[in-house]
Amino acid sequence: KAGVTQTPRYLIKTRGQQVTLSCSPISGHRSVSWYQQTPGQGLQFLFEYFSETQRNKGNFPGRFSGRQFSNSRSEMNVSTLELGDSALYLCASSRDHQETQYFGPGTRLLVL
Amino acid sequence: AQSVTQPDIHITVSEGASLELRCNYSYGATPYLFWYVQSPGQGLQLLLKYFSGDTLVQGIKGFEAEFKRSQSSFNLRKPSVHWSDAAEYFCAVASYNNNDMRFGAGTRLTVKP
Repeated sequence: KAGVTQTPRYLIKTRGQQVTLSCSPISGHRSVSWYQQTPGQGLQFLFEYFSETQRNKGNFPGRFSGRQFSNSRSEMNVSTLELGDSALYLCASSRDHQETQYFGPGTRLLVL
Repeated sequence: AQSVTQPDIHITVSEGASLELRCNYSYGATPYLFWYVQSPGQGLQLLLKYFSGDTLVQGIKGFEAEFKRSQSSFNLRKPSVHWSDAAEYFCAVASYNNNDMRFGAGTRLTVKP
């Protein structure tokens, strides 16, 4: 079974731009969660989608948004990029909560 | 609110020596506990998890962890470390009814030859 895939793997943007990251979960997994990883803040939960609905949200500004499609693929969008948004963005999928989350390799975003 | 503390930022052990990485959690109910490992530039790989039942959990790559409710701990152990175990290790806690997983700050493991 293929693992969680994320595209693109690397991205360079400038301040003020917006970016869209994509995550394809493991087949059969309906829950997709997004995390931001930075050296200063560590791993922080952004949000979770389940069956196309946002089920849970972390403590991030509204510039961070996401969506999930009927095939469970998910995208997250960051608008008006700031330097502090430079991070590794990780996507994880699971069948549902109470089930193990499996992580993708991440998208490394650099904001200049 | 749930939280995870990994007291050791960096640990160095010799190859072949035993390893114990500490993890303490704060959570009101019975937590779901996890250990993940991350190699440089990579995503997270699940080593083991505890949901319920036997408090000693076996994972991949020879790792095990013990859930101790009285100490709010979930320490990771390995009897003999290999050079390939050098990586960053994260302890995480999740609640019963959501996927908002909280991670510790991580412990970086260096293995000396």
